[in-house]
Amino acid sequence: GNSVTQMEGPVTLSEEAFLTINCTYTATGYPSLFWYVQYPGEGLQLLLKATKADDKGSNKGFEATYRKETTSFHLEKGSVQVSDSAVYFCALNTGFQKLVFGTGTRLLVSP
Amino acid sequence: DAGVIQSPRHEVTEMGQEVTLRCKPISGHDYLFWYRQTMMRGLELLIYFNNNVPIDDSGMPEDRFSAKMPNASFSTLKIQPSEPRDSAVYFCACSQSWNTEAFFGQGTRLTVV
Repeated sequence: GNSVTQMEGPVTLSEEAFLTINCTYTATGYPSLFWYVQYPGEGLQLLLKATKADDKGSNKGFEATYRKETTSFHLEKGSVQVSDSAVYFCALNTGFQKLVFGTGTRLLVSP
Repeated sequence: DAGVIQSPRHEVTEMGQEVTLRCKPISGHDYLFWYRQTMMRGLELLIYFNNNVPIDDSGMPEDRFSAKMPNASFSTLKIQPSEPRDSAVYFCACSQSWNTEAFFGQGTRLTVV
């Protein structure tokens, strides 16, 4: 079946550090891939997405590249801020409108 | 558009009581999803609708849970009778079509005591 595996958190970084959150997937067909972010007390918000192999999604300084050969969609940011502290979810959609989410990775950024 | 609107934001109820969670999706979004989030199980899809019709309810945990979508602008998730293990944050989300993002409401935090 379809599944998403994310690195376990929490990921603890100092402000301005480089961020990588790993995400790999298993899917039939050609899924679209997403990163969602959840701030405390709120629902999930789309951060970025990629719909086909080699696409790069980017938003607010975050980037992720759809790598079909390694079935990965790692999230990166060059310099994190305290305000980036949140839970990040990797997800895929194979076209049956069932988003499959990973377990989420909590990011904690300290000043 | 105000986004996905859920009510109530918080609900505390006693075991055995009926609980109804409400959702108003974004106008024109044909897909509606109900998710449950807990620390232990993460984010689980309970049920989703397309054009008001339930498509997949395989995630509904048991018969105590039911969901309806009487029209394009309103959906409910009902738990009857509620149990302490139902305590979680319940999210409603919607999307326009295949390959488009899902928009989430702010969730309803349910506590069953």
